[in-house]
Amino acid sequence: AQSVTQPDIHITVSEGASLELRCNYSYGATPYLFWYVQSPGQGLQLLLKYFSGDTLVQGIKGFEAEFKRSQSSFNLRKPSVHWSDAAEYFCAVGAWSSASKIIFGSGTRLSIRP
Amino acid sequence: EAGVTQFPSHSVIEKGQTVTLRCDPISGHDNLYWYRRVMGKEIKFLLHFVKESKQDESGMPNNRFLAERTGGTYSTLKVQPAELEDSGVYFCASSQGGTGGNEQFFGPGTRLTVL
Repeated sequence: AQSVTQPDIHITVSEGASLELRCNYSYGATPYLFWYVQSPGQGLQLLLKYFSGDTLVQGIKGFEAEFKRSQSSFNLRKPSVHWSDAAEYFCAVGAWSSASKIIFGSGTRLSIRP
Repeated sequence: EAGVTQFPSHSVIEKGQTVTLRCDPISGHDNLYWYRRVMGKEIKFLLHFVKESKQDESGMPNNRFLAERTGGTYSTLKVQPAELEDSGVYFCASSQGGTGGNEQFFGPGTRLTVL
C-alpha cells in the first residue's frame, strides 16, 4: 500500500537550534517526493522536491532533505530555525511518470521556543 | 503568472445546507485536483480532472459531493447536503503533467465549517 508516515505530530525547538523532521514512505513505483509547509492561515507551499540525482536536495528558506532509498526515508532538515519557521510540515509522495494523486503524511507541527 | 486561486476562503454553513467551492487552476494546466483535510488528519485526495474529464474520483467520500470542470477551466465542488463531518480545509491543486513531472501547485484552500 502507498503511504507516508510522519512519526512526530508536534515538535518544539529553540530558535537557532537545528531541526530534523522525519518522513518514511511506502510506494510501489519510483517515488517523487515532496515537502510542503503550511503556515497559519496560509496555503500549502512547496519547500522542495526530489525525483532523481543528488540525494541531498536544497529547498527554499534554507531547508534541505536527504533521500535514503535503503531506509525509505526523506527527512527534512534545517541547520538553524527561525521563529518564522513555526508552521505545519507535510511530507508527500507521488508518481513522476504520470499526473496522479499525491499521498500526504499526517503532518508535523513545528513550534519555536524563543 | 497567477497561482491557483480558490473561492471562498472561508464558508460557514448549517448542516443540511448546500455549499459550492470554486477553484481556478494555473492557466494551461490540464490537471486539476481536489484534496481535503479534516481536523487533525492528513490531507486526503478527493479527485483528479484531466481537462473536463474525471480521471480518478476514488477519494470522493460519498454522493453528497459533486465536482465539475466545465470547459476544462475552473472547477467547482458542491456539497449537498452538508454534514458536520464535512468540515475541514479543501485544497485545490493543478499540474501541467506529462513529461514535466507531477509537481502540483496548491491553492490557499477553502475552510469549510458545518454547524
